[in-house]
Amino acid sequence: DAKTTQPPSMDCAEGRAANLPCNHSTISGNEYVYWYRQIHSQGPQYIIHGLKNNETNEMASLIITEDRKSSTLILPHATLRDTAVYYCIVREGNNNDMRFGAGTRLTVKP
Amino acid sequence: NAGVTQTPKFRVLKTGQSMTLLCAQDMNHEYMYWYRQDPGMGLRLIHYSVGEGTTAKGEVPDGYNVSRLKKQNFLLGLESAAPSQTSVYFCASAVRGEKLFFGSGTQLSVL
Repeated sequence: DAKTTQPPSMDCAEGRAANLPCNHSTISGNEYVYWYRQIHSQGPQYIIHGLKNNETNEMASLIITEDRKSSTLILPHATLRDTAVYYCIVREGNNNDMRFGAGTRLTVKP
Repeated sequence: NAGVTQTPKFRVLKTGQSMTLLCAQDMNHEYMYWYRQDPGMGLRLIHYSVGEGTTAKGEVPDGYNVSRLKKQNFLLGLESAAPSQTSVYFCASAVRGEKLFFGSGTQLSVL
């Protein structure tokens, strides 16, 4: 059963913020939200993760709604190199595996 | 540091042949993973390991075996390759299963 729902594709203008949504309405209290991205055919790259508070690092910001049923990954100033497939994953803190869905294909356009 | 290294990068097999994919990491990570990715699809977890000498099944384990005899290595074996196993295989490692570091992948074709 899919734990997350993401739009299959999105476009964003270069230099603008890219806001990628993820729905995880069945998330439980001890499950974290993770984001990875995969550029072309490379191995996926970790971006950020959080439990209930908003998180920010050098790559992106993660906004989790108060009820934790959805989240948004924000790339503040998208560049052409941010064109990739972005995966939102929900995983229990004590669970040992990390399962990827289909993700969102983000295309940043000049 | 090399990070996560996968060998080989490309391989072509005939149906019924066997082979082993090697994943090596130099980050002293406890957790290691094997995924496969079919064209246009997301990654699917085959097997994983939470430490030397331990392995566990993921989403799509059938037709594959794994071994983790040394902490730094995670081997993925195909005993009798089938065309349905044509895919790109990714290995990853992590400290505790949070932030995964991926290798560059192995493209396998089974004819």
